[in-house]
Amino acid sequence: AQKITQTQPGMFVQEKEAVTLDCTYDTSDPSYGLFWYKQPSSGEMIFLIYQGSYDQQNATEGRYSLNFQKARKSANLVISASQLGDSAMYFCAMIKWAGGTSYGKLTFGQGTILTVHP
Amino acid sequence: GAVVSQHPSRVICKSGTSVKIECRSLDFQATTMFWYRQFPKKSLMLMATSNEGSKATYEQGVEKDKFLINHASLTLSTLTVTSAHPEDSSFYICSASFVGGSVETQYFGPGTRLLVL
Repeated sequence: AQKITQTQPGMFVQEKEAVTLDCTYDTSDPSYGLFWYKQPSSGEMIFLIYQGSYDQQNATEGRYSLNFQKARKSANLVISASQLGDSAMYFCAMIKWAGGTSYGKLTFGQGTILTVHP
Repeated sequence: GAVVSQHPSRVICKSGTSVKIECRSLDFQATTMFWYRQFPKKSLMLMATSNEGSKATYEQGVEKDKFLINHASLTLSTLTVTSAHPEDSSFYICSASFVGGSVETQYFGPGTRLLVL
C-alpha cells in the first residue's frame, strides 16, 4: 500500500523568502508519480508540479521546484520568493503507474497550511 | 491546462432530500473521473472512481446506495447524495484524468460545499 506523510501541519514564511514543504512517501512499486497541489481558502485544487519516479532531473515550474530524493523517499516542494498569494494548504500526492498507465487513484498526504507574512 | 467544472458550487438542502452534483471536463474527454470528500482542514478522501459507461468503483466504507455515481458521457460524471442528512455536510470535489504528453495528471473541479440542515 502507498502512504504519503506531510509532517508539517503549518508553516510560516516571510514574503520574498524561500520555503520548503516536506513530503515523504512509502511504496514498494517501482513506477510512480508524485504531485503537489495548492488549495487556497476557496477550495479549488491547483496542480503545481509533477515528478516521475524515473525522472533523472528534479522538476521545476516557475517558482516551484521539487527536491526529489528517491533513496530517502522524499519529494519536498520548494517555493522561492514567497508571495502573499502563496498562503494556502499544500498537498503532496502519489499515483501508481503500471505498463504506461496509471491506476488513477491519488494518495494524498495530510496537507500543510502555509502562511506568508508581509 | 485542462479545465474541470463543478456545479453547483454551494448547496443548502433539507434533511431527507437528494442533491445532485455535476462534474464536467470542459476541454478534454475523461474516461475516468474521481469523487473526493474533504472535511475542514483535512485531506481529501477518495469516495469512488467513476468510469464512463460502467459502474463506479467505491472505496471501502462508502455507501453505494447513499452516493450514487453516474458517468454517462466522456465529459460528465454526476454524484447524487440521496436522502441527505446533516452528517453528509462536507466539501465534495471531483477530478478528471488528463494525459498531456507522457504524463497523466488529475485536474480538479472547484468543489461543491454541501450543507444539510
